[in-house]
Amino acid sequence: LAKTTQPISMDSYEGQEVNITCSHNNIATNDYITWYQQFPSQGPRFIIQGYKTKVTNEVASLFIPADRKSSTLSLPRVSLSDTAVDYCLVGDKRANNLFFGTGTRLTVIP
Amino acid sequence: GAGVSQSPSNKVTEKGKDVELRCDPISGHTALYWYRQSLGQGLEFLIYFQGNSAPDKSGLPSDRFSAERTGGSVSTLTIQRTQQEDSAVYLCASSLRQGAYQETQYFGPGTRLLVL
Repeated sequence: LAKTTQPISMDSYEGQEVNITCSHNNIATNDYITWYQQFPSQGPRFIIQGYKTKVTNEVASLFIPADRKSSTLSLPRVSLSDTAVDYCLVGDKRANNLFFGTGTRLTVIP
Repeated sequence: GAGVSQSPSNKVTEKGKDVELRCDPISGHTALYWYRQSLGQGLEFLIYFQGNSAPDKSGLPSDRFSAERTGGSVSTLTIQRTQQEDSAVYLCASSLRQGAYQETQYFGPGTRLLVL
């Protein structure tokens, strides 16, 4: 499993776009990049997954450069309810478990 | 129910006692996973089931930990002779099929275990 590095914490004002970058220098050819979000006192929930270039869904966008050694999760116009820990995971689609690091603690300020 | 459910939501026990944690996965999900999260930490993978079978038990912290799944549905995680370092939130997740990165994992709310 590739090791990931992401900021320990980030603060953002309500209504702003938040970009969280994750480094994964040892990503392998078969690895996918997946982001999960964990709200206080809840289990994590899937946000988005990608392999290369850009992926967008109803809650976020994921930007992956050509070398795939990093990825950026973009959350548009965050609200107070987006205060959570966001985890970047990298692994082979055939893997049988997810490896969570300590994540990025996002705090949205009014 | 629509999501993964876990019981009990909270458990306080005395050191040395046995505890049993239960997970009800989403109906139809064949894969089930157990994780542990200590205060302020990331998640630690414990074990996964494909159907009733657990191919790899190496993630279990010690031989005091065991898990089983019956009928391809409900799973129980048992901790024998609990220790204070076992205090954590135990999270269960399920996915439609095996393959953690290919399949979205749906997590339950967790069981908060406190060993006194």
